[in-house]
Amino acid sequence: GAVVSQHPSWVICKSGTSVKIECRSLDFQATTMFWYRQFPKQSLMLMATSNEGSKATYEQGVEKDKFLINHASLTLSTLTVTSAHPEDSSFYICSARFAEGFNEQFFGPGTRLTVL
Amino acid sequence: QQPVQSPQAVILREGEDAVINCSSSKALYSVHWYRQKHGEAPVFLMILLKGGEQKGHDKISASFNEKKQQSSLYLTASQLSYSGTYFCGGDTGGGNKLTFGTGTQLKVEL
Repeated sequence: GAVVSQHPSWVICKSGTSVKIECRSLDFQATTMFWYRQFPKQSLMLMATSNEGSKATYEQGVEKDKFLINHASLTLSTLTVTSAHPEDSSFYICSARFAEGFNEQFFGPGTRLTVL
Repeated sequence: QQPVQSPQAVILREGEDAVINCSSSKALYSVHWYRQKHGEAPVFLMILLKGGEQKGHDKISASFNEKKQQSSLYLTASQLSYSGTYFCGGDTGGGNKLTFGTGTQLKVEL
């Protein structure tokens, strides 16, 4: 149980286009989902916390207008990278946890974004 | 500021033991340990909560000293499958929002 999927697994796009990444909890309802970005050989950096039905909370330095997050249901959160540029190329990973009191975060397989 | 892990990298022969340390400059509500293989998502290993918790599973165990804001991960009788990058994640706010450590690359060889 506790499986999180991401779609797509990888995406290559041209500079200036927008890219949407989906994060789904397949067998549980996720009250909270987290979005991370990871550059090669670096640690995971939290971008934002997404709660179902409310606005996402962004970490300092993360542009909310550039990285749009929508947590429309208890099983789906989306990250849209708007007007992507080469410096946005990275590995984007989501995680989900399903209830208060359950601390574990379950990670999706990640999405590798390459902006040309 | 992210937790600092030591060592940055370690190479083991199969069967050897290793200790990975995680030190935070901020007070921690809990510490989460993950292992990540190249190109893959992190895989959960264990959580340690406030109260000086220690726990283990199979040959991997960990401890959490909340007073020192430090946690250690112990790998005994290492196996080839233990290779990967280990991250600690510190919860400094109590809401399970994690700040991941600098990472430790571990390689187990025959």
